[in-house]
Amino acid sequence: LAKTTQPISMDSYEGQEVNITCSHNNIATNDYITWYQQFPSQGPRFIIQGYKTKVTNEVASLFIPADRKSSTLSLPRVSLSDTAVYYCLVGAIKLSFGAGTTVTVRA
Amino acid sequence: DAGVTQSPTHLIKTRGQQVTLRCSPISGHKSVSWYQQVLGQGPQFIFQYYEKEERGRGNFPDRFSARQFPNYSSELNVNALLLGDSALYLCASSLLFEEANSPLHFGNGTRLTVT
Repeated sequence: LAKTTQPISMDSYEGQEVNITCSHNNIATNDYITWYQQFPSQGPRFIIQGYKTKVTNEVASLFIPADRKSSTLSLPRVSLSDTAVYYCLVGAIKLSFGAGTTVTVRA
Repeated sequence: DAGVTQSPTHLIKTRGQQVTLRCSPISGHKSVSWYQQVLGQGPQFIFQYYEKEERGRGNFPDRFSARQFPNYSSELNVNALLLGDSALYLCASSLLFEEANSPLHFGNGTRLTVT
């Protein structure tokens, strides 16, 4: 199971872009990278998933370099409601979450 | 479509008691996973079921057990409750099992408090 490392916390202001980088040096060939968002007292919510290069949806972008040993979640123009914990996961089975990255957006 | 539903939303039990938590997956999802989330930590994997069979188990004692029914709903049972079992218990469903690009869809959990 690929282990992931991401920053414990990040602070930002409304309207800024937030980039969270996750390291996963021992990612397996068939592993996808998935990011989740969690608000207090709620279950994690799927944000975005990718295998290589760049993936974009209506809420975020995911950048994956060619060696796939890291990935960067990009949240464009954050608002106060984007304050949450963000988790990076690699693989598909027996997945335990790390501590995640607590993103705090200030006015 | 309804998301993953869990019941009850909150529960208070006494040490030594037993508890059963229930989960209904998204329609069409055949895989259900259970997680324990202690305050301040990320969700920790307990079990994964697919087609009514256990397909994975995390590092939890035998006091924890689960099952999946023919309609793909699931129950998590915890016996001989300890104070340390107090946590948010999350259920997640996914369309497939062991498919690398089948993300998890979580319910909002059952908050269990053991006194």
